[in-house]
Amino acid sequence: SQQGEEDPQALSIQEGENATMNCSYKTSINNLQWYRQNSGRGLVHLILIRSNEREKHSGRLRVTLDTSKKSSSLLITASRAADTASYFCATALNRDDKIIFGKGTRLHILP
Amino acid sequence: ETGVTQTPRHLVMGMTNKKSLKCEQHLGHNAMYWYKQSAKKPLELMFVYSLEERVENNSVPSRFSPECPNSSHLFLHLHTLQPEDSALYLCASSQLWAGQEKLFFGSGTQLSVL
Repeated sequence: SQQGEEDPQALSIQEGENATMNCSYKTSINNLQWYRQNSGRGLVHLILIRSNEREKHSGRLRVTLDTSKKSSSLLITASRAADTASYFCATALNRDDKIIFGKGTRLHILP
Repeated sequence: ETGVTQTPRHLVMGMTNKKSLKCEQHLGHNAMYWYKQSAKKPLELMFVYSLEERVENNSVPSRFSPECPNSSHLFLHLHTLQPEDSALYLCASSQLWAGQEKLFFGSGTQLSVL
């Protein structure tokens, strides 16, 4: 299965610290995406990185992709209480292919 | 707001009821999706509609019946559900073949089957 798997399952850090979440997948992919979900709500797209890219930034977010290790990481710098949410990686085998999600990492930012 | 609206937000139904979930997207997208999110399980892709044609049906039981009357609307008709069908049902849309693969999700319908 191409399904991504996030690590850790849950993470608690102090406000202001950096949060790092990892995602591993099993097959070659066209792109990998990260989404965020607040409790009981829909998912919100954060960032997309293509298989020929190694790093992307968006505000306080930094995503890396290592296709040789079939892994990605999401770094949130200078965390805030509002960053408390679940974060999911999602992969697409080919462009415009169905997008498959992992189980997610629950991030809790402590005040 | 993401441009994808789902109704109702919450639904409680008995196993013999028939109900429908509704999704509407205001983004001009050409693809719409139903996902199921259960506790401690990954999001499960249920159905995909591309240009109003169903292109994906991931072995979903027949008690779930999707309908896509046009590119802006998607329904999920429910009948004789089981308690294990209780979950958050999420609708999403995207614009395929445009180099923009990201999904836009609605807020979901929290379904409880008694």
